[in-house]
Amino acid sequence: ELKVEQNPLFLSMQEGKNYTIYCNYSTTSDRLYWYRQDPGKSLESLFVLLSNGAVKQEGRLMASLDTKARLSTLHITAAVHDLSATYFCAVDIGDAGGTSYGKLTFGQGTILTVHP
Amino acid sequence: GAGVSQTPSNKVTEKGKYVELRCDPISGHTALYWYRQSLGQGPEFLIYFQGTGAADDSGLPNDRFFAVRPEGSVSTLKIQRTERGDSAVYLCASSSSGRAGKTQYFGPGTRLLVL
Repeated sequence: ELKVEQNPLFLSMQEGKNYTIYCNYSTTSDRLYWYRQDPGKSLESLFVLLSNGAVKQEGRLMASLDTKARLSTLHITAAVHDLSATYFCAVDIGDAGGTSYGKLTFGQGTILTVHP
Repeated sequence: GAGVSQTPSNKVTEKGKYVELRCDPISGHTALYWYRQSLGQGPEFLIYFQGTGAADDSGLPNDRFFAVRPEGSVSTLKIQRTERGDSAVYLCASSSSGRAGKTQYFGPGTRLLVL
């Protein structure tokens, strides 16, 4: 059974600081997704990582994937209040034949609060 | 453009009742997914449709849950004999295909409360 674990689960940051959220998963996969969720809202896609060593950046967020370590990171640079949200990673391992069809297994989420 | 829509946005029902939750995917998206999100947790997969057929329903918790997508567009999640433990946010997502790497676009969810 695939397990996806995020660390930390709660993160309180000062504006302007840097930090990293970690996502570990238990089964081989090279398909990892990051989503953002604001309170009471649905999920917004941030990044799709599809190969070992993939790195994507958007604004103050950068995501990377190490499939050998079964680890993805979401790095926050110079945090601002608008980044306060819950961040989820999700992994797709496909079916027994290795075909992917997008069935995602999510981590527990990291609640990020950025304060002055 | 129009995103994924779900109705109703909120549903309150009594234990034992039957409910239907509707999802309108993005036009042209062939893949449709249902997830369930409990408070403080990540979404959990329920069922995946490719076109009209359920390609994977392994996440449905029991036979009280059923979903259809008769014309390959709108989908309905049906829950019979609701229980208090069914209370959660039910999320629908769609993607342009079921292939790897396609972004799943989520709807706003239906918040179900079973009293």
